[in-house]
Amino acid sequence: DIQMTQSPSSLSASVGDRVTITCRASQSISSYLNWYQQKPGKAPKLLIYAASSLQSGVPSRFSGSGSGTDFTLTISSLQPEDFATYYCQQSYSTAYSFGQGTKLEIK
Amino acid sequence: EVQLVQSGAEVKKPGESLKISCKGSGYSFTSYWIGWVRQMPGKGLEWMGIIYPGDSDTRYSPSFQGQVTISADKSISTAYLQWSSLKASDTAMYYCARHPRDGYNFFDYWGQGTLVTVSS
Repeated sequence: DIQMTQSPSSLSASVGDRVTITCRASQSISSYLNWYQQKPGKAPKLLIYAASSLQSGVPSRFSGSGSGTDFTLTISSLQPEDFATYYCQQSYSTAYSFGQGTKLEIK
Repeated sequence: EVQLVQSGAEVKKPGESLKISCKGSGYSFTSYWIGWVRQMPGKGLEWMGIIYPGDSDTRYSPSFQGQVTISADKSISTAYLQWSSLKASDTAMYYCARHPRDGYNFFDYWGQGTLVTVSS
């Protein structure tokens, strides 16, 4: 199985900050990497697929990069509605495992 | 409009059986995989398995193989997740989600979740 490791596990930031979350795969997954946002009590929401493709309707302040084993999710200017938990997911090989999550909190 | 609508919350006792459902609408149900994701209280997301309703091809995570059964009835555009004997550790929120047949296998639409509580 492919293990996904996110860092940091939690992060405090302010509105307007630029934030980067990292995801590392235990083996190469090419660009088969997706990012989701989850708010309390809600289902996850797809933000980025194929490492860098922005899902329709997602604000352009979200961006993704990377390939192989190392990936990043960047939020260019945090908005109040962005405080949530973020998960990466590899979709290269079943089981399509998730990272443990990064909780983004207001400083 | 694409929708995945899941069945309601369940409260069960250890050892009981359970089948929860996920009904798709607004798209061709037989042309997308449906997956199930577990989220235990206060924890992260766990990929359980997927089914392709078009031909019932099913894949399981090794962590869930033998513990649950995923099925689908394409005549009513509904996927299922079932347990034959629940344990307290099955207490969790369960989400269904769809992903395209080919390509990068991302979950683009999600159900609202079904909360399963197993307690004596």
